[in-house]
Amino acid sequence: NAGVMQNPRHLVRRRGQEARLRCSPMKGHSHVYWYRQLPEEGLKFMVYLQKENIIDESGMPKERFSAEFPKEGPSILRIQQVVRGDSAAYFCASSPGLGQGQGVHYGYTFGSGTRLTVV
Amino acid sequence: QKEVEQDPGPLSVPEGAIVSLNCTYSNSAFQYFMWYRQYSRKGPELLMYTYSSGNKEDGRFTAQVDKSSKYISLFIRDSQPSDSATYLCASLLQGAQKLVFGQGTRLTINP
Repeated sequence: NAGVMQNPRHLVRRRGQEARLRCSPMKGHSHVYWYRQLPEEGLKFMVYLQKENIIDESGMPKERFSAEFPKEGPSILRIQQVVRGDSAAYFCASSPGLGQGQGVHYGYTFGSGTRLTVV
Repeated sequence: QKEVEQDPGPLSVPEGAIVSLNCTYSNSAFQYFMWYRQYSRKGPELLMYTYSSGNKEDGRFTAQVDKSSKYISLFIRDSQPSDSATYLCASLLQGAQKLVFGQGTRLTINP
């Protein structure tokens, strides 16, 4: 029973290049979330997607960042023209659906993350 | 002001001690309160969650929420070296999908 799979585990990019981070949710999970963790900081929400739909992108920087979750294949977080400040750990989480009834929460399962280093 | 505040530590205690980890939050509309454990170079894993106020116990772990003071606590009894990790508190609005995390507290249990 594979968990949330993220790849690559480590990614090094030069300033100005593009970074593509992939996330395959757990089997049976149709909701995907991306979070970013900067050094010595907690996780910050970026975007919430369902298949072929972006539901909430309120945490995404306005420029250079985009995310998709196509009908087939993994979810992709794309960062164009990377800068040093983009260096962080990017975590993907998945859930089976709307995560809560009254008082009940299914929780999110996180992947092991992709550590992006911009040089 | 951050919506969820957590002392980053580090916190170092001897094996067998009772550990108390705490967070405060500012949004009174939060209804779900979670504790995640994150080992080095790994993703966070959910330890337990509490809905609204009250206590919840799971083995050596007890989570408490006091909504009147907007205070979240996690207690670890009989702490083990394997408990050494970063502990993250997180809060969630009813009906929302966006977890709001504290900064995380780095905990070390010394044998």
